[in-house]
Amino acid sequence: DTAVSQTPKYLVTQMGNDKSIKCEQNLGHDTMYWYKQDSKKFLKIMFSYNNKELIINETVPNRFSPKSPDKAHLNLHINSLELGDSAVYFCASQLTGRTGELFFGEGSRLTVL
Amino acid sequence: GQNIDQPTEMTATEGAIVQINCTYQTSGFNGLFWYQQHAGEAPTFLSYNVLDGLEEKGRFSSFLSRSKGYSYLLLKELQMKDSASYLCAVKARRNAGNNRKLIWGLGTSLGVNP
Repeated sequence: DTAVSQTPKYLVTQMGNDKSIKCEQNLGHDTMYWYKQDSKKFLKIMFSYNNKELIINETVPNRFSPKSPDKAHLNLHINSLELGDSAVYFCASQLTGRTGELFFGEGSRLTVL
Repeated sequence: GQNIDQPTEMTATEGAIVQINCTYQTSGFNGLFWYQQHAGEAPTFLSYNVLDGLEEKGRFSSFLSRSKGYSYLLLKELQMKDSASYLCAVKARRNAGNNRKLIWGLGTSLGVNP
């Protein structure tokens, strides 16, 4: 079974549309993240939730709205999509403990035309 | 400011040894990670160092010197499948919200030639 799963894996849409990406983890972790990886491969943190509570909110346009219905799910909704939103969006789940290593989902590649 | 530096690209030959360096300047330090990312795939955890010294795990080893703000990832007996991007990330000090954040490097793209 996939530990961190994201849907959809690929998303092609027009500018101005609204879209959502969903993430689920079955690892029993308390903390989940959304990262954006652009064409230059830089991993940029967007949001982090711990037990459904928002704990990290980086400087992200308010067109991006995360939602965590429970600690196993973290969804990302994007309004009024722009060309610059094209990227791979990774969901990650964090193991609490000595290392705090991240377990990443396979990524959702968003292309805005 | 917070900064992590890694070489952009490296190439090596199958069977060889390669060392990928990472230097960091961060607000506080609570551990350093190395992740591997193959093209089109998610990053996967390789190693974690919080104390000075060398941590060995099979063909991969990671070294940390906190006083120098320096780490390296050592890959031995290189295989073609080791061609990937290697990301250095530092767990920095807690912010005002009492949460630690990972500061990521841009990654080193390693190409392994036959």
